Amino acid sequence: IAGITQAPTSQILAAGRRMTLRCTQDMRHNAMYWYRQDLGLGLRLIHYSNTAGTTGKGEVPDGYSVSRANTDDFPLTLASAVPSQTSVYFCASSDRASTGELFFGEGSRLTVL
Amino acid sequence: GQNIDQPTEMTATEGAIVQINCTYQTSGFNGLFWYQQHAGEAPTFLSYNVLDGLEEKGRFSSFLSRSKGYSYLLLKELQMKDSASYLCAVRDSNYQLIWGAGTKLIIKP
Repeated sequence: IAGITQAPTSQILAAGRRMTLRCTQDMRHNAMYWYRQDLGLGLRLIHYSNTAGTTGKGEVPDGYSVSRANTDDFPLTLASAVPSQTSVYFCASSDRASTGELFFGEGSRLTVL
Repeated sequence: GQNIDQPTEMTATEGAIVQINCTYQTSGFNGLFWYQQHAGEAPTFLSYNVLDGLEEKGRFSSFLSRSKGYSYLLLKELQMKDSASYLCAVRDSNYQLIWGAGTKLIIKP
């Protein structure tokens, strides 16, 4: 693994189903983030984690949950998917000790029908 | 509320120069970032400004005026591969990033 990896790349999901998007980084960054990106809107923060063992809510947290059991992994779970959660999801990480620039995963395109 | 404004779309010619503006109103300021995002791909970091002035990096430069809440990204000697969306983001007093909606740059031959 080099950098930050997301899975799956793409998924079609029936409404009401549970879904977990996986995110793993090997840069030992302390901070990790989940964003959603919708056409015409900026990146919107769902949840974040400043360090392993802690998480926080972003701008649009409803319907999503996260965990940060260790430094490398930051999964995002949709407990019961709804069509409005159709979006492209980006995981990102940063080293807050430096400028704090974000390194993004390749994205997960989720369609909820 | 917090707000980042940038033009939705711009068009420029290959070989020319283009300036993409970004104005912001945020709760505090801890730096401004520019990212490039090609269609269907993830954003990638271009530049970071925390002090007033111009930061130059090859064909790309970024300018910041904190008193005016204003930044621009300057792209010189445009190439077709520069066709992408350019995202402006400001880090606020809570160390959270506030994102603009992005400027789609179209390069014509």
